[in-house]
Formats: sequence, C-alpha cells, structure tokens
Amino acid sequence: DTGVSQDPRHKITKRGQNVTFRCDPISEHNRLYWYRQTLGQGPEFLTYFQNEAQLEKSRLLSDRFSAERPKGSFSTLEIQRTEQGDSAMYLCASSRASRSDGYTFGSGTRLTVV
Amino acid sequence: AQTVTQSQPEMSVQEAETVTLSCTYDTSESDYYLFWYKQPPSRQMILVIRQEAYKQQNATENRFSVNFQKAAKSFSLKISDSQLGDAAMYFCARIDSGGSNYKLTFGKGTLLTVNP
Repeated sequence: DTGVSQDPRHKITKRGQNVTFRCDPISEHNRLYWYRQTLGQGPEFLTYFQNEAQLEKSRLLSDRFSAERPKGSFSTLEIQRTEQGDSAMYLCASSRASRSDGYTFGSGTRLTVV
Repeated sequence: AQTVTQSQPEMSVQEAETVTLSCTYDTSESDYYLFWYKQPPSRQMILVIRQEAYKQQNATENRFSVNFQKAAKSFSLKISDSQLGDAAMYFCARIDSGGSNYKLTFGKGTLLTVNP
C-alpha cells in the first residue's frame, strides 16, 4: 500500500467555479477525514466518514461544500461557487478503528482561488 | 471547546543541540491520546510520537521524547541531537480515547529551524 493519495496536488481556479478533490485512503482503514489548513495555522476538521457513512461535519463546512465516500473506499470533496476565502490546503487522512494509531495523512491538495 | 495550544510560533536550534517544543491542552476527558506530528515544507504530515494519557511513563522514539504532565495538561516534545532534517512545522494534537468523537484536534504549530 502506498499510503493516502490525494489528487490533484495543486488546483488554481477562478472565483465562482466548482472544484472537486479526490482522496484514496489506505485500503484497510475504515475511517477517512478531511481537514483544511491555512497558512500559519494547524489543520481544522471538516468532516469524517466511517466506511461510507458521513458521521460528522464541522460548522466550517458551509452548504457549498459536500463530501462523499461511495462504497467506503475513495472520497471526494467538492466546493461549489468557490470564494477567495476557500484558498487553503485540503488534507485527507485515514485511520483504523483504533484511535491510538493516530491518522495517516496524504500530501494534500493546495487550492488557490483567483 | 477542547483546545490545543502551542505558545511558540517559531523556535530555532543549532545542529546537534536539544530543543523543547511546548504544548498545552484543555479537556474534560480523563483518557485520551496525544500526538506530535511533523510537517516538512511541501511534504505530508507524519507522526513523530504518541502518548496514552493513562500511561505515566513518557514516550520515547529514538531522538524524540515527550514530557507528559497530565495534571498540568502539558505535553512537550524534546528533540535531542537536532539534525537539519528535523526542520519542519510541528503540530501537537489530541484525540479522545473513547466515545463517538474521532476528531484529532491540532494546535497552530511551531516552526522549527535547525541552524548548521
């Protein structure tokens, strides 16, 4: 297994456009998380899945954001009608059921909205 | 809110010297896990060391060790014999050990510079 993969690594988009990011977790991990990280800040929780079920969403996740994890494998995070404030690094992570292992992170998708 | 605070935005250390990064947290839980993650520039975040709150013994991983003070809710990271490759952002994080909350809560990070 090659770890958590995120695609694309970088995305530049014009304000108002829709963007979609993909995350492929470690295959034996049943939990998948999305975080957002802005410059000089720690990662902030957006949402997480246990298998295909989305169990929690942060208030940071406005109605322009939607995440899916069909069949409990890869996940997508879509941002509709992007705004300049959406510019950030979007991190995906996965984990086993045991919290003691922490998360394994992907390399992130850096979004720039111009 | 259960928060994690890293009071040192930046730290620097000379190569081969020792540096300590500070972290405090706030929680009402009695059992939880604490982590230090390293994020090199433009690279992914990796786990450096973990501590289980019910264990009094401080965790150690090679040159990395922690000073866990549960009553003070303090969890500092000591890096011994610092190397150039240790330069990175370091994040302290916490997660409950039970219940339905699986979120890792992070601090804002400390940028560590290692001077040759």
